[in-house]
Amino acid sequence: GAGVSQSPRYKVAKRGQDVALRCDPISGHVSLFWYQQALGQGPEFLTYFQNEAQLDKSGLPSDRFFAERPEGSVSTLKIQRTQQEDSAVYLCASSLETATDTQYFGPGTRLTVL
Amino acid sequence: GNSVTQMEGPVTLSEEAFLTINCTYTATGYPSLFWYVQYPGEGLQLLLKATKADDKGSNKGFEATYRKETTSFHLEKGSVQVSDSAVYFCALNGGTSYGKLTFGQGTILTVHP
Repeated sequence: GAGVSQSPRYKVAKRGQDVALRCDPISGHVSLFWYQQALGQGPEFLTYFQNEAQLDKSGLPSDRFFAERPEGSVSTLKIQRTQQEDSAVYLCASSLETATDTQYFGPGTRLTVL
Repeated sequence: GNSVTQMEGPVTLSEEAFLTINCTYTATGYPSLFWYVQYPGEGLQLLLKATKADDKGSNKGFEATYRKETTSFHLEKGSVQVSDSAVYFCALNGGTSYGKLTFGQGTILTVHP
């Protein structure tokens, strides 16, 4: 079916606001990943789900970052009390089954915190 | 932990030139290796991959060989086109970091007519 989709594509937030970023993985894909890409850098891992279970959240930079995937499909990355250093592109990826299968990326959400 | 080091860019070439982008990695065990490409205004796309030593991944004229003895996965293309202008990322999956992709910093390639 369609590829990974993310919304919104662009988000501008004032410092201190909460934001929610959505990811729709490829239909039937079991594994879902979130990455953060700072300007001019490679993506860095944030967290990983297998179905609805969050198996690895070691990359979340602070307790202001929270991710969920309650029904094992759509996922939401929430950032509370945004700071300027949170400005980045947030990428979502999904893979068919295991975490070592090829990951397919969405277009990303560019977050700018003013 | 795992790490990936790419040659620094930007790389500027004329059309039909030969391309090499170096990539070396540090990982325990037997990771899978990938090259992803990011065209202007677009998301990351898988370009090629190799899952075990001596495997060669290839796609769209690009090639890379998994060299365990030198812990390298250099990207090559014999004749680049203007349309190859993009950012190229080397990445690995596995070793001590099951599931998470570890990326290099990216190499900007610009090809002039």
